[in-house]
Amino acid sequence: EVQLVESGGTLVQPGGSLRLSCAASGFPFSSHDMHWVRQSTGKRLEWVSAIGFAGDIYYPDSMRGRFSISRENARNSLYLQMNSLGVGDTAVYYCARALRPGVIDYWGQGTLVTVSS
Amino acid sequence: EVVMTQSPATLSVSPGERATLSCRASQSVSTNLAWHQQKPGQAPRLLIYDASTRATGVPARFSGSGSGTEFTLTISSLQSEDFAVYYCQQFYHWPYTFGQGTKVEIK
Repeated sequence: EVQLVESGGTLVQPGGSLRLSCAASGFPFSSHDMHWVRQSTGKRLEWVSAIGFAGDIYYPDSMRGRFSISRENARNSLYLQMNSLGVGDTAVYYCARALRPGVIDYWGQGTLVTVSS
Repeated sequence: EVVMTQSPATLSVSPGERATLSCRASQSVSTNLAWHQQKPGQAPRLLIYDASTRATGVPARFSGSGSGTEFTLTISSLQSEDFAVYYCQQFYHWPYTFGQGTKVEIK
């Protein structure tokens, strides 16, 4: 059974940093592209970052420079380093597996990041 | 960035009736279009990809159609477990983008 379990979400002050983790199991992690997608309360889903199984990395322009995605295949883990956080980054952050490029077929349950003073 | 626009925002349907949800892309995405279902407090779930291919385990009452800029998700006979929010998502142009969602509620 495919499982994606996110962790690391918490309350952080504006300007702070946070590292999210995603533990994957039940599938050959090193063979799949992985993604981070976020969802603010009452707002649409928004792509945060993607990393291919070969290590190629993608960010939307709005996220580039502040967010950094990485993976550790030996640990079946995905990470998201977030810096210079603002209130607009408050959201549930989902780790997601891709069936193939752009097609998310499994989602984690999400971890809540709250940016507030 | 490709803007995905869904209509209607809310669809009120009685159980057993047919529901038709629309999604429009601001530029062509070919058939690189997926539909996801999200229930309150849960993560999204993939229903359809490549505009018309059902994901593993998805009931046959869900069907997708369209190409280019106009897409449709049809639920042929709504069951109680189908009342949820549905999102379309394009994966043709990076960054991939989602629509704002259509909420299917009980009439």
